[in-house]
Amino acid sequence: RKEVEQDPGPFNVPEGATVAFNCTYSNSASQSFFWYRQDCRKEPKLLMSVYSSGNEDGRFTAQLNRASQYISLLIRDSKLSDSATYLCVVSGGSQGNLIFGKGTKLSVKP
Amino acid sequence: DTEVTQTPKHLVMGMTNKKSLKCEQHMGHRAMYWYKQKAKKPPELMFVYSYEKLSINESVPSRFSPECPNSSLLNLHLHALQPEDSALYLCASSQILAGEGNTQYFGPGTRLTVL
Repeated sequence: RKEVEQDPGPFNVPEGATVAFNCTYSNSASQSFFWYRQDCRKEPKLLMSVYSSGNEDGRFTAQLNRASQYISLLIRDSKLSDSATYLCVVSGGSQGNLIFGKGTKLSVKP
Repeated sequence: DTEVTQTPKHLVMGMTNKKSLKCEQHMGHRAMYWYKQKAKKPPELMFVYSYEKLSINESVPSRFSPECPNSSLLNLHLHALQPEDSALYLCASSQILAGEGNTQYFGPGTRLTVL
């Protein structure tokens, strides 16, 4: 089983749609969880950290289920500017290194 | 301010050249990282520094040599690279290496082409 698995997509959705991304991780000792967004030929930018209690930032909602080792990201009312690759990222172990999923590509169309 | 800066933005070098990539942050972060990213792939960790000491070397070839002169600076010295080393090289930093506060912030990267 891969350490962090994501559906690679692409997800092609119309503006205004709601889209959900899922991610699973294999290391039950993982401590921190993140969603990063990466535009073409740019660096990853932190979108949000993910907590067991769930967290919301505007149109974006992230959820963590530790029992199922599952992370989700929900984007409501998609905008053209949301088009990017979304990376599920897990940190674990004493070295704190990040484990990246392969990313899910989102394309929002007019 | 969550800014990490990297220079140069672009670098083209021959296989016999020696060059250096530079990374700087002024957020007081004590952990700094080098990643390599090929097209359509996620970033791959190369090196980790914690409190200016090398913490992780992910079996990177010796033609890549990291250096952490102080808590704000991180260099990556390049020598005798191969064309397959062409990639985007990303620097990142975090408050600490593990636990709460280990959110990593990335610089814009150096796009390296080896001829």
